[in-house]
Amino acid sequence: DVKVTQSSRYLVKRTGEKVFLECVQDMDHENMFWYRQDPGLGLRLIYFSYDVKMKEKGDIPEGYSVSREKKERFSLILESASTNQTSMYLCASSSGTSGEQYFGPGTRLTVT
Amino acid sequence: GENVEQHPSTLSVQEGDSAVIKCTYSDSASNYFPWYKQELGKRPQLIIDIRSNVGEKKDQRIAVTLNKTAKHFSLHITETQPEDSAVYFCAAKYNQFYFGTGTSLTVIP
Repeated sequence: DVKVTQSSRYLVKRTGEKVFLECVQDMDHENMFWYRQDPGLGLRLIYFSYDVKMKEKGDIPEGYSVSREKKERFSLILESASTNQTSMYLCASSSGTSGEQYFGPGTRLTVT
Repeated sequence: GENVEQHPSTLSVQEGDSAVIKCTYSDSASNYFPWYKQELGKRPQLIIDIRSNVGEKKDQRIAVTLNKTAKHFSLHITETQPEDSAVYFCAAKYNQFYFGTGTSLTVIP
């Protein structure tokens, strides 16, 4: 059974803080993704990675960066958190062949 | 890039009735179309998917149809049950996934 875990379910940070969200998958998937989910907007892709040390911008990368030093781990970094980054953050992974995506449980981030 | 539109945004049906959710996409290169169900407070879970070389796929009470010419695909749920109540997302994939904005389905007992 594929397992995608995220470091925190709930997080409260102050404006200007640097925030790290971590995602780990245990199925040796090549592809990993970070989305944010907001009501009425669906899931929007922030960044994705097809391989270790590789990253590609998604639709809304501004204010975010990512790191993938190991195949199983994909980190999302908010360099200087702002209130408009309050959201649900979902990590996902998929294999290069099947394409099926598996999601983590999500991190609800509140920036005050 | 790809643009996926999903309708309706909310849908209420009586238990036992059918529910249909429709999505359109813009990029003819998209070749994989999954549907996800997200229950309140939980992660999205894949319920059915279809690839561009197939027109229809069924799994018990759920089915997906794909019209490549018109660039739209639909989710059909028959004999709805209260546990079908959730938010459903469609997506289209070529190099990356593009999601619709979601449909909140309520099944009224």
